[in-house]
Order: sequence, then structure tokens, then C-alpha cells
Amino acid sequence: GAVVSQHPSWVICKSGTSVKIECRSLDFQATTMFWYRQFPKQSLMLMATSNEGSKATYEQGVEKDKFLINHASLTLSTLTVTSAHPEDSSFYICSASMLAGGEQYFGPGTRLTVT
Amino acid sequence: GDSVTQMEGPVTLSEEAFLTINCTYTATGYPSLFWYVQYPGEGLQLLLKATKADDKGSNKGFEATYRKETTSFHLEKGSVQVSDSAVYFCALSRSDYKLSFGAGTTVTVRA
Repeated sequence: GAVVSQHPSWVICKSGTSVKIECRSLDFQATTMFWYRQFPKQSLMLMATSNEGSKATYEQGVEKDKFLINHASLTLSTLTVTSAHPEDSSFYICSASMLAGGEQYFGPGTRLTVT
Repeated sequence: GDSVTQMEGPVTLSEEAFLTINCTYTATGYPSLFWYVQYPGEGLQLLLKATKADDKGSNKGFEATYRKETTSFHLEKGSVQVSDSAVYFCALSRSDYKLSFGAGTTVTVRA
């Protein structure tokens, strides 16, 4: 139980285009979803927290207009990287929790490469 | 701000060897502490946790004790198996439930 999927698992896009990453909780309803970014050999950095039906809360230094987060249902959150640039290339990971403050269940991540 | 520091890898061990991964933290107040494991091709999974000082978290033969006096939460396993090969992340959370992670330690166990 408590499975979280991400789609796509990897994506290559050209500079200036936008790309959408989906995060789904497959067997539970997620009150809260989190988006992280991971650079090679570095820790996961929290980008934003989203609650179903509410605007996402972004961490300091994360551009909300560049990283659009939508949590339209209790099982789906999307991260859209707008006008992507090579420096946006990274590993993006989502997690979901059933309750506020509850255990986070992580997706397998999405590798984004911007050329 | 909060931060987690864990020993750099990679760590390579033989089967049945003793594993220790050091983790120290900096935080105000009394955070909860976690170890997550990421097997190849999979998402992070919670391995164990401790929510207050002197608590010991344990799971799958792994243990870690919350040491407030040394601000540490070192992960240990007495006899590792090849299946324990993974990346291990130490993390903390405070009252806002947000997780702060260490950089991760890659462990490879050889038969």
C-alpha cells in the first residue's frame, strides 16, 4: 500500500519549452503533496508544499512563476517547469501524505534534462 | 536554519560486515529524526524514525538512537546483506512537518 507514481520517469526538452511532471497517489488520498529537487550527490531540497484545492506554498528562493504546482485532486499533483533552461535540469521527486504531518510516501522521481 | 550532515560515501562492505552511517543535525527545538532508504530505481522509503531524545528506531535489523546531547542519529546494522545495497538518507522534521535531508550515503554490499 501507499504507492506514489511519477510520470514521466525521464524527459528531455529543449530550452524555452515547458514540461509537466505528474505525481499520483495510487492507493490512497493525499491531503498534502510535496515537491523536491535533487542535484547529483546532494540532498533533496524541498521546493513546495501543496494541499488539495489550495495554492502551493513555495520555499524561499523557489520561483513560483517558473515552477507551477497544481494539486487539483486528492490523488494528483502536477509540477510544470515553464520556459525551461539547462540549469533546471535535475531530478524532481514528489511525496504524498494522507494526513497533515503524516508519513510521506515518495515517488521514484523524474529526471529532467533541458538541452 | 535546520541542517543534516551525514557521512560521505560511497561505502563498500562485504556481506555480514557491520555498518555504521553517521548523521548529525542542527535544529532549534526538538525535531523528529528519520532514516530513509532508496533502493535502485525506487522511491525513498521510511526505514525508521525517532521522535524524542533517547528513542531508538529499529527496522529490518537497522537501529538508530536519538542522541540529543551529541545531536546525532547514527544508523547501524550488525550484519549487512547484499540486499541492503542502497542510498541511505538521514532527515529531520520540526513542527511544520517539512523534511530536511542529508546528502545521502551510497552503500554497496558485496557477496
